[in-house]
Amino acid sequence: GAGVSQSPRYKVAKRGQDVALRCDPISGHVSLFWYQQALGQGPEFLTYFQNEAQLDKSGLPSDRFFAERPEGSVSTLKIQRTQQEDSAVYLCASSLLGAAVQPQHFGDGTRLSIL
Amino acid sequence: TQLLEQSPQFLSIQEGENLTVYCNSSSVFSSLQWYRQEPGEGPVLLVTVVTGGEVKKLKRLTFQFGDARKDSSLHITAAQPGDTGLYLCAGAAESGGSNYKLTFGKGTLLTVNP
Repeated sequence: GAGVSQSPRYKVAKRGQDVALRCDPISGHVSLFWYQQALGQGPEFLTYFQNEAQLDKSGLPSDRFFAERPEGSVSTLKIQRTQQEDSAVYLCASSLLGAAVQPQHFGDGTRLSIL
Repeated sequence: TQLLEQSPQFLSIQEGENLTVYCNSSSVFSSLQWYRQEPGEGPVLLVTVVTGGEVKKLKRLTFQFGDARKDSSLHITAAQPGDTGLYLCAGAAESGGSNYKLTFGKGTLLTVNP
């Protein structure tokens, strides 16, 4: 497809389980971003990749959150030992280059619910 | 930490009315973007403004970037039900080292009733 694809669209997990969320960016896009969007809030920056290099992970809430993009295309956001406060929509975005003035193209997100 | 405050948080109007949404900060941004997000979907970029005082028009939508690049507004003329959605502003840091990072406001949830 032409857009950013995220899977799964919905994920329900029990507290303490590990989850993995996948993002397929637009082909050829160098930059990839992960955001967390809580209910009724705007997206919050989690981490940024330029190709396979994770240049900024300052927004990751704790060391339970881990993101990778090993071949510079598909990215996975992993959350270990999930907690109820991890419930949110996780959005992935990609852009051709890194500067924020470049348009960021968002996927439709993964809605994560922790029971 | 750069914060963006959007107002109003909720807005419900009748078709044909005009409206303005505001995005304010005490920080200077190198650029500011407006997005629209519909339920169950990701945000979609509407416009990017870069220069202080810049005005951009997109059909019935008019976007303005403040002279000091700390605030922005979105004006919609003759709103239509299809304009319904969550409007988000997002600013990019002024400092060159992290100009890829967007800070989002909480959004304005607009409902346009037929």
